[in-house]
Amino acid sequence: GQQVMQIPQYQHVQEGEDFTTYCNSSTTLSNIQWYKQRPGGHPVFLIQLVKSGEVKKQKRLTFQFGEAKKNSSLHITATQTTDVGTYFCAGARGSQGNLIFGKGTKLSVKP
Amino acid sequence: DTEVTQTPKHLVMGMTNKKSLKCEQHMGHRAMYWYKQKAKKPPELMFVYSYEKLSINESVPSRFSPECPNSSLLNLHLHALQPEDSALYLCASSPNQYEQYFGPGTRLTVT
Repeated sequence: GQQVMQIPQYQHVQEGEDFTTYCNSSTTLSNIQWYKQRPGGHPVFLIQLVKSGEVKKQKRLTFQFGEAKKNSSLHITATQTTDVGTYFCAGARGSQGNLIFGKGTKLSVKP
Repeated sequence: DTEVTQTPKHLVMGMTNKKSLKCEQHMGHRAMYWYKQKAKKPPELMFVYSYEKLSINESVPSRFSPECPNSSLLNLHLHALQPEDSALYLCASSPNQYEQYFGPGTRLTVT
């Protein structure tokens, strides 16, 4: 079945360093979404990418969708302690919002 | 009102109990979802409701029974659960079956 692989599983960075997490799908995705889950919290929607090669920015966060719509990345510039949490990518499996989540990348930031 | 609410926040139940989880949203979203999340794992889709009708059941055991009384409410009825069903149960809604807005979850412990 369709799988969404996400790496790395964990990333420890010093505050101010950059961070990137990558997602790869076994099949072409109609869209990919990114969520952030703080420790003890719930997933919070960050962004959706739909078009091949799409790049979107939110302040220090840059999201990319690959040309083949099979991979995506999230890059954070100059991490801050508020960036701590687990970042999940999620690919749409059908037309009803049935998402398949990657395993997530847990980011810790050392002040 | 731009949030999804869930009650209760915590629930402890025995294996012979019957309990219900409740989810509510007043954003006019027509798609609603139940997810199960184990510790350090991504959310796993259980059920999808679209326009108050069950559209997806991800082969969930019958001891979990969803109900959508109206467009704002989603219930999950629990009966004869097993200890391995202990998890965070998340409800989500979507305006367009793309981005999803999660509630804070119910942390369930089955004893």
